[in-house]
Amino acid sequence: GNSVTQMEGPVTLSEEAFLTINCTYTATGYPSLFWYVQYPGEGLQLLLKATKADDKGSNKGFEATYRKETTSFHLEKGSVQVSDSAVYFCALSRTQGYQKVTFGTGTKLQVIP
Amino acid sequence: NAGVTQTPKFQVLKTGQSMTLQCAQDMNHEYMSWYRQDPGMGLRLIHYSVGAGITDQGEVPNGYNVSRSTTEDFPLRLLSAAPSQTSVYFCASSYSRTGVGETQYFGPGTRLLVL
Repeated sequence: GNSVTQMEGPVTLSEEAFLTINCTYTATGYPSLFWYVQYPGEGLQLLLKATKADDKGSNKGFEATYRKETTSFHLEKGSVQVSDSAVYFCALSRTQGYQKVTFGTGTKLQVIP
Repeated sequence: NAGVTQTPKFQVLKTGQSMTLQCAQDMNHEYMSWYRQDPGMGLRLIHYSVGAGITDQGEVPNGYNVSRSTTEDFPLRLLSAAPSQTSVYFCASSYSRTGVGETQYFGPGTRLLVL
């Protein structure tokens, strides 16, 4: 079956540091890939997505590239801010039949001033 | 648009009690789903619906029932609450029942404590 593996957190960074959160997946076919973010006390919201190999999703300074050869979708940001403190979830959605989304376990990011 | 709404925000139950978690969306989305979020386990799919009158099981359906009589509403019923059902529950919806790159829109969650 489909699965998503994320690096375990928490990740603690100083403001303006470079961020990488690793995500790898196992799936049949060509899934769509997503990063969702959950701020404290809220539901998840879409951060970015990519739907085919070599696509780059980007939003709010975050980027991730769909790498089929390494089955990865790592999240990066060049300079994090305190406001980026949240839990980040990598996810995939199958593209055949009814959609089903599989989430990773989430990585908590804490950015300190 | 209110988006996806959930009630209640917080609930305490005793073992064996039943209750219904409400979920509604005003975006005319075909697809709706329920997840539970537990520490270290991410989000796990409980049940989903691809349209009014059509539901199916997800990864962890035991102890939960759903129905979808309208496009807007997708309630989740706990038949006989157990401490293992203590969790945060999220409802989500998306425009299409299938499709590439469909974004999920999440409600704010219901925190459930079963004593």
